[in-house]
Amino acid sequence: QKEVEQNSGPLSVPEGAIASLNCTYSDRGSQSFFWYRQYSGKSPELIMSIYSNGDKEDGRFTAQLNKASQYVSLLIRDSQPSDSATYLCAVYTGNQFYFGTGTSLTVIP
Amino acid sequence: KAGVTQTPRYLIKTRGQQVTLSCSPISGHRSVSWYQQTPGQGLQFLFEYFSETQRNKGNFPGRFSGRQFSNSRSEMNVSTLELGDSALYLCASSLARQGNEQFFGPGTRLTVL
Repeated sequence: QKEVEQNSGPLSVPEGAIASLNCTYSDRGSQSFFWYRQYSGKSPELIMSIYSNGDKEDGRFTAQLNKASQYVSLLIRDSQPSDSATYLCAVYTGNQFYFGTGTSLTVIP
Repeated sequence: KAGVTQTPRYLIKTRGQQVTLSCSPISGHRSVSWYQQTPGQGLQFLFEYFSETQRNKGNFPGRFSGRQFSNSRSEMNVSTLELGDSALYLCASSLARQGNEQFFGPGTRLTVL
């Protein structure tokens, strides 16, 4: 079982819609959770971090964490074509960071 | 504030050679982590350095090594290169506390022929 699992997609949403990205993790002791965006040919860019249960909002992005269900999600409101990228979920277990393989998102104009 | 820098950006080597990659973290960041990214395996953790000491290590063979200098700059070395070492090598810097947000450099694209 992988430490971090993501649906690889591709996920396609129309411009202006809400994109929902999901991630599950296996280590119940995981402490910190992150979402990165990676454009093709570029390095990952941090967009959100979340450390406690609940929602955290930053502009058009909302991260949701449910430690009981070992589940992290990212909502992107009012999706824009520039949001088209691969989104990586990362989890810190206390020893190291584990990354999911990413979900490819395409926002259709 | 300047971001994480990595040099070189691209490298082409042949099997059996060795390579050294360099990373300069964001000013004030004392932790540097290295990752290998391949299409099949995704991002995999190599090791983390803090205050010139290796704090954590991933599951890679001993051909992969690293070090950190007193100014927090870090180098990664791969000896006896294999074809499977072809990948994007990413460096990430963070503040001292473990589990802090990590910020990635642009990466070094290594091709082994």
